[in-house]
Amino acid sequence: EAEVAQSPRYKITEKSQAVAFWCDPISGHATLYWYRQILGQGPELLVQFQDESVVDDSQLPKDRFSAERLKGVDSTLKIQPAELGDSAMYLCASSLAVSDSFGYGYTFGSGTRLTVV
Amino acid sequence: KQEVTQIPAALSVPEGENLVLNCSFTDSAIYNLQWFRQDPGKGLTSLLLIQSSQREQTSGRLNASLDKSSGRSTLYIAASQPGDSATYLCAVASGYALNFGKGTSLLVTP
Repeated sequence: EAEVAQSPRYKITEKSQAVAFWCDPISGHATLYWYRQILGQGPELLVQFQDESVVDDSQLPKDRFSAERLKGVDSTLKIQPAELGDSAMYLCASSLAVSDSFGYGYTFGSGTRLTVV
Repeated sequence: KQEVTQIPAALSVPEGENLVLNCSFTDSAIYNLQWFRQDPGKGLTSLLLIQSSQREQTSGRLNASLDKSSGRSTLYIAASQPGDSATYLCAVASGYALNFGKGTSLLVTP
């Protein structure tokens, strides 16, 4: 079964350092999402891509976070500088459609657990 | 903004019991609703996807229902097993992305 690949699985970094996460969506999925999940909470959307274009980044803290999907395939999420409050699970998901009006659903990766010390 | 609420926040049941997890949402204009399972420290595994035109979906011991007009969905787990212990997340697709509840943490004891 096709999967969304994420790396690394775990990352520990010191505050003020830079950190990057990578995601490779399911082949053919045009839409890619980055979510952040704080312990005990549901995931919250950070950024959504349609191919290489950003559809929604309204919840992305742009002073320290950046995301790119240069060729419309894999994507990188970067944090610089990392803060203690950034400790969370970062989840990547992909879908066939821009909006889920077509009902394809979303497939999530295994996530990257970030700890900022 | 779509608000998704899950009740209860935590649930502990003995093995073999049937149980119901509840999800409510504030905006009935949804495309679909998806139930996910999350094991500790892991990603999300899709369990069931219900289209807005459907009333329910079934997979094995799981059955999910959707009442769009009242803004409610339930996940029914039959004959629970210790391996069902996990957090169950309800997510509503309305607009461009999924809106999640905070989840129900389920513990099934032998």
